[in-house]
Amino acid sequence: EAEVAQSPRYKITEKSQAVAFWCDPISGHATLYWYRQILGQGPELLVQFQDESVVDDSQLPKDRFSAERLKGVDSTLKIQPAELGDSAMYLCASTPEGGDTGELFFGEGSRLTVL
Amino acid sequence: GDSVTQMEGPVTLSEEAFLTINCTYTATGYPSLFWYVQYPGEGLQLLLKATKADDKGSNKGFEATYRKETTSFHLEKGSVQVSDSAVYFCAADGFQKLVFGTGTRLLVSP
Repeated sequence: EAEVAQSPRYKITEKSQAVAFWCDPISGHATLYWYRQILGQGPELLVQFQDESVVDDSQLPKDRFSAERLKGVDSTLKIQPAELGDSAMYLCASTPEGGDTGELFFGEGSRLTVL
Repeated sequence: GDSVTQMEGPVTLSEEAFLTINCTYTATGYPSLFWYVQYPGEGLQLLLKATKADDKGSNKGFEATYRKETTSFHLEKGSVQVSDSAVYFCAADGFQKLVFGTGTRLLVSP
């Protein structure tokens, strides 16, 4: 069964360091999402891509976060510099072309701990 | 903006007990509604959905009915199993963006 791949699964870093997360969506899925899930809360959308274009990055803290999906396939989310409050699970999800925007396929997530 | 409110957990039940997890939403218009489940160590996965008023979504013995008059989408199961232990998220699809509730942890003991 096709899955959304994410790496690394776990990342521990010190504040002010740079960190990057990678996501490979299900093959053929045109829409890719990055969500942040703080412990005890629901996922919150950071950025949405349609192919290689950003559709919504209104909740992305652009002073320190960046995201790209250069060839419209896999994607990278970067944080620089990391802050203590960035400790969270970073989730990647995708949906197929023409799919229901509410029916997301999630990866297992990348858990970030900032010390 | 759109929002989703869920009952706080954890919900602790014995096996074969009846489950209800409450969910209400605030939205402009009539969003599609979803329940996602996150098992320990796994990613979120769609459990069920309903796209219009009075629709009932169902899967794996779980059910939820879209109630427009009470803006609710409560999750129910008649007889829970230990394997149902997980975190359950209610979500609403408003303006092309999925908004999640804070999640409710369910713990089922033998």
